[in-house]
Amino acid sequence: AQSVTQLDSQVPVFEEAPVELRCNYSSSVSVYLFWYVQYPNQGLQLLLKYLSGSTLVKGINGFEAEFNKSQTSFHLRKPSVHISDTAEYFCAVSDRAGGTSYGKLTFGQGTILTVHP
Amino acid sequence: NAGVTQTPKFRVLKTGQSMTLLCAQDMNHEYMYWYRQDPGMGLRLIHYSVGEGTTAKGEVPDGYNVSRLKKQNFLLGLESAAPSQTSVYFCASRRLGLAGGTGELFFGEGSRLTVL
Repeated sequence: AQSVTQLDSQVPVFEEAPVELRCNYSSSVSVYLFWYVQYPNQGLQLLLKYLSGSTLVKGINGFEAEFNKSQTSFHLRKPSVHISDTAEYFCAVSDRAGGTSYGKLTFGQGTILTVHP
Repeated sequence: NAGVTQTPKFRVLKTGQSMTLLCAQDMNHEYMYWYRQDPGMGLRLIHYSVGEGTTAKGEVPDGYNVSRLKKQNFLLGLESAAPSQTSVYFCASRRLGLAGGTGELFFGEGSRLTVL
C-alpha cells in the first residue's frame, strides 16, 4: 500500500515569486510519481511525471519537480509564478508492479496555491 | 474531441434516493476509474474497470455500484444515497500501456452531488 502526504494545505505567494509545493510518499515498492493541477470547477490535468531516469522532471507551464529517493519526496517548484497558476495541486503515486495495480493512483490531500498580485 | 464527459454535472438528492452518474470517453481507453473528492482528503478511488465487462473495488467502494457494459461508458450508481456521499465525483480514463502505472489519467470535469 502507498500513501502520499502533501505537507502544506495552502500556500499563498506573490506574483513572480518562486514557489515550492512539498510532497512525501510512502511505499513498500518502487513507484511512479505524478503532479496534477486542478483549476477551479475543472477536472485534474497532468503537470508532470517521474517514471525513471533523470530525477529532475520538467512539466508544463514552467513547473518542475525533483525525485529524491532517499527522502521519499517529489517536491514541485516554479521559479516565478503567475496569477494564472492559482489552483489546487495534487501529488500522486502508482506502484511499478503493473499487473494488478492497473495504474491506480493514490493522491495526496492537495495544496491550494494562491498567487496574489 | 470531447475526452471524458460526465453527466449530470450537478444533482441534489434526498436521503434514500437512488441515482446514476454516467461517464463517457471517446479515446478508446481500456481503463476507467471513479474517484470522489472531499476537502482535505484529496481524491479517493471508489471503483475501477480494466476493460469492458470488468469492474473492481477501490479504496472506498461501500454504498456504490458500477457497470461497464460498453468500453466507452462507466456508470456509477448510488442505490440509497446518504449524506456522507455528498461529494464531487470524478471519472478518469487511461489507455492500456506497456507498463502498468505510467500512463496519464484523463479526467472529466466532475459531478457535484449533494445528499440532503
